Amino acid sequence: DTGVSQNPRHKITKRGQNVTFRCDPISEHNRLYWYRQTLGQGPEFLTYFQNEAQLEKSRLLSDRFSAERPKGSFSTLEIQRTEQGDSAMYLCASSPRQLSYNEQFFGPGTRLTVL
Amino acid sequence: SQQGEEDPQALSIQEGENATMNCSYKTSINNLQWYRQNSGRGLVHLILIRSNEREKHSGRLRVTLDTSKKSSSLLITASRAADTASYFCATVTTDSWGKLQFGAGTQVVVTP
Repeated sequence: DTGVSQNPRHKITKRGQNVTFRCDPISEHNRLYWYRQTLGQGPEFLTYFQNEAQLEKSRLLSDRFSAERPKGSFSTLEIQRTEQGDSAMYLCASSPRQLSYNEQFFGPGTRLTVL
Repeated sequence: SQQGEEDPQALSIQEGENATMNCSYKTSINNLQWYRQNSGRGLVHLILIRSNEREKHSGRLRVTLDTSKKSSSLLITASRAADTASYFCATVTTDSWGKLQFGAGTQVVVTP
């Protein structure tokens, strides 16, 4: 399967702990996006990478959140000192670089539950 | 904040019927996309319509776009039980690095 993969699929943690999620985009896709989705809502944009450069961060991404894409391939999203409000589905998507913006390919998501 | 709003929030129909859902947005766009989400497969892209297009078809899907009213509609014809899912519209603005701004979605249930 050459789609977008995310690990882990589920994460349960206690408030105050740090968690890290990984996203492996479709190979040769140089655009990578992170979104967060809470129950009953559509996904909300968190951050965008073009190759290894993080070009945009949403105001939703507080100082406790950090994302990296060190070699322009996989990406990690870390949440420090988790809070119950961080409980959500974290989605990763990738798309190829083209002249115009086209569809994004989403991974299955990582569901985070903070107790 | 959500860029788009879908209407209705929920829709229940029988197999064979058509399903129509609408999306309104607030700012000028480069394109508008529709995605489907169910618990088994995550978010899947359905169709993209650019700001200079008014209508597109893909299989049983028909999308319209009215940029003067900042609205779009998605029609699913001859619905099947497998069409049961949440449907989201998402907009892309020109200076946005391609990020998607989603609405809250329409939950569609198709009963056999």
